[in-house]
Amino acid sequence: DVKVTQSSRYLVKRTGEKVFLECVQDMDHENMFWYRQDPGLGLRLIYFSYDVKMKEKGDIPEGYSVSREKKERFSLILESASTNQTSMYLCASSPGQPNFKFSNTEAFFGQGTRLTVV
Amino acid sequence: AQSVTQPDIHITVSEGASLELRCNYSYGATPYLFWYVQSPGQGLQLLLKYFSGDTLVQGIKGFEAEFKRSQSSFNLRKPSVHWSDAAEYFCAVGMEYGNKLVFGAGTILRVKS
Repeated sequence: DVKVTQSSRYLVKRTGEKVFLECVQDMDHENMFWYRQDPGLGLRLIYFSYDVKMKEKGDIPEGYSVSREKKERFSLILESASTNQTSMYLCASSPGQPNFKFSNTEAFFGQGTRLTVV
Repeated sequence: AQSVTQPDIHITVSEGASLELRCNYSYGATPYLFWYVQSPGQGLQLLLKYFSGDTLVQGIKGFEAEFKRSQSSFNLRKPSVHWSDAAEYFCAVGMEYGNKLVFGAGTILRVKS
């Protein structure tokens, strides 16, 4: 069974704390993603990575950074958590394409981390 | 820019009734279309996908979807809903160039007995 594992299901952090959300996939996928899910807004892409040490901003990168030191692991970092970052965070992975041109592959999702910033 | 619209935020159907969830997309080139389901407290699971070919695609759990290019739609259907189908459903479009998905806001399905 393919698997994307997020290290925490629930987190409560204080305003101003540095927060790390970890994601590991065991499918040898090239692509990894971090989404934020809010009611009525669906999923919004924060960052994605198509290779080790490579990253690209998504639609809402402000206040976040990412790290991908190994192929299987993709970390989302909140440098200084704020209450408006209270949300559900979903990690996903998908296999890459040789020409990096097509997003026609299935993305596999972790179970999500519900982060509350107080 | 590409976008996905799911016009219905909530839908309630009776168990055994048919279901149609609407999805409209805005994208100039050939879209790659997906439907995902999210059960409470869970991540997203792929129901079905359309890349090319037959415009009626079959998925898991008895779901199907039809791609209509003229209407820019990819509606999800099921002939008979089960109580276990209660969940949130997301339509997504993949861009021809790039590796991102754009998601709709989701439709929450409630099933009444």
